[in-house]
Amino acid sequence: KNEVEQSPQNLTAQEGEFITINCSYSVGISALHWLQQHPGGGIVSLFMLSSGKKKHGRLIATINIQEKHSSLHITASHPRDSAVYICAVSSAGAQKLVFGQGTRLTINP
Amino acid sequence: NAGVTQTPKFQVLKTGQSMTLQCAQDMNHNSMYWYRQDPGMGLRLIYYSASEGTTDKGEVPNGYNVSRLNKREFSLRLESAAPSQTSVYFCASSEYRVSPLHFGNGTRLTVT
Repeated sequence: KNEVEQSPQNLTAQEGEFITINCSYSVGISALHWLQQHPGGGIVSLFMLSSGKKKHGRLIATINIQEKHSSLHITASHPRDSAVYICAVSSAGAQKLVFGQGTRLTINP
Repeated sequence: NAGVTQTPKFQVLKTGQSMTLQCAQDMNHNSMYWYRQDPGMGLRLIYYSASEGTTDKGEVPNGYNVSRLNKREFSLRLESAAPSQTSVYFCASSEYRVSPLHFGNGTRLTVT
């Protein structure tokens, strides 16, 4: 079992829909990261969080430390949100990040 | 503000050739990383440098060497390229161990 599991692996939705991507992890963490990668493009850090909730524009990230679970929500989704979303955790005491496999999101107009 | 700059963007090598991927950041970050990304495998850490003057192996270090030349620059060298090293390589930096990551735009390497 991977230390970081994301679901779903692929998600297709219509423009305007509310999107939820989930991330579960099995290790103790210092922080959890959500990253975005557009097709053929670079990787951008969206959020880093260790508790509670963060919001940036239409994006919201939440984390439940007790349940070892995080969600990334996108409100009023738009075709430009189409990308791969990657969850990664900073293991407590370790230097490296552990990455999930990513969720490929496609928003159709 | 350039952020993290990686060169080259694309490279084709023949098996056995050597090359160095360059990475520089202008954010005065302490930690720097080299990752490779392969289909279905996600991002995997090759080497990292927690601070200037230190380097450590990640998950997949075999076939690679690194140099933290100074605080800004962290290079990745392939001494004798193999087809298994065909991948997209990303350099990243962060201010501290637990800080947001900043990625370069990637290098697409093909080894024939």
